[in-house]
Amino acid sequence: DAMVIQNPRYQVTQFGKPVTLSCSQTLNHNVMYWYQQKSSQAPKLLFHYYDKDFNNEADTPDNFQSRRPNTSFCFLDIRSPGLGDAAMYLCATSPTGLAGGSSYNEQFFGPGTRLTVL
Amino acid sequence: AQRVTQPEKLLSVFKGAPVELKCNYSYSGSPELFWYVQYSRQRLQLLLRHISRESIKGFTADLNKGETSFHLKKPFAQEEDSAMYYCALDNAGNMLTFGGGTRLMVKP
Repeated sequence: DAMVIQNPRYQVTQFGKPVTLSCSQTLNHNVMYWYQQKSSQAPKLLFHYYDKDFNNEADTPDNFQSRRPNTSFCFLDIRSPGLGDAAMYLCATSPTGLAGGSSYNEQFFGPGTRLTVL
Repeated sequence: AQRVTQPEKLLSVFKGAPVELKCNYSYSGSPELFWYVQYSRQRLQLLLRHISRESIKGFTADLNKGETSFHLKKPFAQEEDSAMYYCALDNAGNMLTFGGGTRLMVKP
């Protein structure tokens, strides 16, 4: 089944210790997104890639970085996790992005990685 | 800036009762609205989009530009409809702004 995979499903890290979350997709979509979802809140977009073109949301903290080495993989790096970064992190993909044509495309979500910061 | 509001965090109904999950938005342009659903222990997934004007699992949603609303409705709720529902707005850049979500509980 074509899908969006996130590893690990649960990640525990220590305050200030860098952590990397990974996402892979078999859908061959050119857009990949990272969302942060805190308890009882809406998913909040952190950044997205349109192919290799990285787009950061204006209010995403500098502590959050991302890498996309190829179409299939995308990583979320948190350089110095704080207690406030504990959340569910969702990866999503979409078949089109900012370029022309219909941009109203479905986003396909992974199961998420729940990050705990001790 | 766009904003999506779901005023009810929790909606509880009995099986067979009608259900309406409210969604209001603010956006200066012409938005595309979606409803996403997350069933227990499953990933977030698309339920329906306004541009398709379709009924999915008995749910419909009509975009009312005058009231800036996109309420989700179903005439007869089923227990399997119990889930978290998110209204989302796409501002034509394929970027979604989500509402805070409504948890629907359908009691037997």
